[in-house]
Amino acid sequence: GNSVTQMEGPVTLSEEAFLTINCTYTATGYPSLFWYVQYPGEGLQLLLKATKADDKGSNKGFEATYRKETTSFHLEKGSVQVSDSAVYFCALINAGGTSYGKLTFGQGTILTVHP
Amino acid sequence: SAVISQKPSRDICQRGTSLTIQCQVDSQVTMMFWYRQQPGQSLTLIATANQGSEATYESGFVIDKFPISRPNLTFSTLTVSNMSPEDSSIYLCSVREGAGYGYTFGSGTRLTVV
Repeated sequence: GNSVTQMEGPVTLSEEAFLTINCTYTATGYPSLFWYVQYPGEGLQLLLKATKADDKGSNKGFEATYRKETTSFHLEKGSVQVSDSAVYFCALINAGGTSYGKLTFGQGTILTVHP
Repeated sequence: SAVISQKPSRDICQRGTSLTIQCQVDSQVTMMFWYRQQPGQSLTLIATANQGSEATYESGFVIDKFPISRPNLTFSTLTVSNMSPEDSSIYLCSVREGAGYGYTFGSGTRLTVV
């Protein structure tokens, strides 16, 4: 079946450090890939997305590239801020099979950024 | 993208009671979904709310426990029935506006069962 695996957290960084959160997936066909962010006490917000191989999604300084050859969609940011402290979820929309159109989430990675 | 209003935002309920959560979207959407996020966990899909027909439930979720209504293309409700402390979670509704789009989520309902 379809699955998403994220690097285990929590991740703790100092402000202005470089961030990478790894995400790999298993899916049939050609899924669309997403990163969602959940700030403390809030719901989920779409951070960025990519719908086909080699696409790069970007938003708020975050980037992720759809790598079909390695089935990965790693999230990166060159210089994190305290305000980036949140839980980050990698997800995919199933492109086929019985779960067509449904989101599958990774387990989430907690990021804490210290001043 | 669609704007979702979900309420209540939080509630504390007695075990054995039921709570109905409402999800209102500012535009007509075909696909509406309900998710559960248990403390410290990822999101799990409960069901797809279908307009004009019964909801489609995922494995491990049943209609008697989580009845869902979808009277039109902008509104849905999820009821958590006969609650126990294990039902304490965040419940989120979500919509998908079309192929190639991600999902938009409501701000969630934080439910605590005591």
